[in-house]
Amino acid sequence: DGGITQSPKYLFRKEGQNVTLSCEQNLNHDAMYWYRQDPGQGLRLIYYSQIVNDFQKGDIAEGYSVSREKKESFPLTVTSAQKNPTAFYLCASSISGNPSYEQYFGPGTRLTVT
Amino acid sequence: AQSVTQLDSHVSVSEGTPVLLRCNYSSSYSPSLFWYVQHPNKGLQLLLKYTSAATLVKGINGFEAEFKKSETSFHLTKPSAHMSDAAEYFCVVKAVGTPLVFGKGTRLSVIA
Repeated sequence: DGGITQSPKYLFRKEGQNVTLSCEQNLNHDAMYWYRQDPGQGLRLIYYSQIVNDFQKGDIAEGYSVSREKKESFPLTVTSAQKNPTAFYLCASSISGNPSYEQYFGPGTRLTVT
Repeated sequence: AQSVTQLDSHVSVSEGTPVLLRCNYSSSYSPSLFWYVQHPNKGLQLLLKYTSAATLVKGINGFEAEFKKSETSFHLTKPSAHMSDAAEYFCVVKAVGTPLVFGKGTRLSVIA
């Protein structure tokens, strides 16, 4: 069964703590992405990676960090520097290179920081 | 640069009536265009995509969209709404060397 898994589905943290969101894919895709979704704002790109050991900042990278040590995995760390971390986080992957290739999305992780 | 404008934040239709969700785009290059659907607390699912082949694109669940270059539009339609169509819909544009650019979404409500 091919797809993207994100865990956990719901995550609760206290303010000031770092937290890492997991994203794994078995689609053999080169490119992976992290988005943040807030009500009424659509999806905003946090980080993306076109190939292992390389990644680029998206539109709202401040307060986040990523790593891409394996093709299948692209974890996102929400650091204590992120001013408003409560949101729905979506991971996606795609075949890289051609803009006609669509992105496949995971089920998302809802992070609540209090 | 690319941008997407979804002209309605919320559309409400009766079950069995047509659906029209409007999308206008701006792109410096020949873009690829996508419509995605999101049910509450779920990930996004691809409905259909335009990639410079036929301008009328058919997708899943009876949806279709027409690419109109002269109007820079890519509106999503369905002849007859079903209760299960109630969801958030996103219009997305992509060009070579750029990430996806998402519209802010249109919430579709279907009334029984």
